[in-house]
Amino acid sequence: EVQLLESGGDLVQPGGSLRLSCAVSGFSFSSYAMSWVRQAPGKGLEWVSVISSGGDSTSYADSVRGRFTISRDNYKNTLYLQMNSLRAEDTAVYYCAKQRETFGDSGTDYWGQGTLVTVSS
Amino acid sequence: DIQMTQSPSSLSASVGDRVTITCRASQHIGRWLAWYQQKPEKAPKSLIYDASTLQTGVPSRFSGSGSGTDFSLTITNLRPEDFATYYCQHYHGYPLTFGGGTKVEIK
Repeated sequence: EVQLLESGGDLVQPGGSLRLSCAVSGFSFSSYAMSWVRQAPGKGLEWVSVISSGGDSTSYADSVRGRFTISRDNYKNTLYLQMNSLRAEDTAVYYCAKQRETFGDSGTDYWGQGTLVTVSS
Repeated sequence: DIQMTQSPSSLSASVGDRVTITCRASQHIGRWLAWYQQKPEKAPKSLIYDASTLQTGVPSRFSGSGSGTDFSLTITNLRPEDFATYYCQHYHGYPLTFGGGTKVEIK
C-alpha cells in the first residue's frame, strides 16, 4: 500500500523558516518524481514544486521560487521542502504527492494527508 | 504560463443525475490533463490521468474526455459519496497549474 506521511508543519513567524518532510512507503521511491502542492484555508489547490526521481531536476512556482527548496533522500525514502522567508500568504495545508513518472511534468497518482503551516506573528 | 479555467465553479445535483464539469486550457496541452476529487478536510484523490484514463480503483461512472484545450469530467448516476470538489490540472510543462475547482453539491 502506497503511503505518504507529511510532518513538520507548525506556527512560524513571518520571515521565519520551516522544513517539511514526507516519509513514503509502499513503492520504489527512487523511481518516481515527487511534488508539493498547497491549499490555503478555503481556497483551491496550488502546485508548489516538483523534483525528478534522481533529484537532479527541480521546478518551482513563481510564488515560492528563491525562498523554497525541494530535495529528496532516496536512501531514507523521504521528500523535503525547506521553506525560508515565510510570508502570511504561505499559510496553507501542504500536501506531498507522488508523480506517475520519473520526470516531474507527469500527473499525480497518490497524495499524503497534508501538514498545516501557519505563518503569523 | 498555462491557465486552467473550470466551469461551473459550483453546481447542485441530485443522486442519480449525470453531471459534466469542463476545464479549458489557455494553450494546447495535448492530453496531458488530470482530474482530482477532494472532500472537505481530506486530501485530494486522483481520478483520471491523460485526459481519459481512470486511476486504478476509480468507479466506471467517472469518465474524462477531451484534448488540446477543452476537456470534461462526467459523472453518471451520481452517488452520495461523489459530492465533493473536483479539480483539473495540466502537466504539459511547468508550472503544473490547477483549475479553480468545481464544487458538486446536493440539490
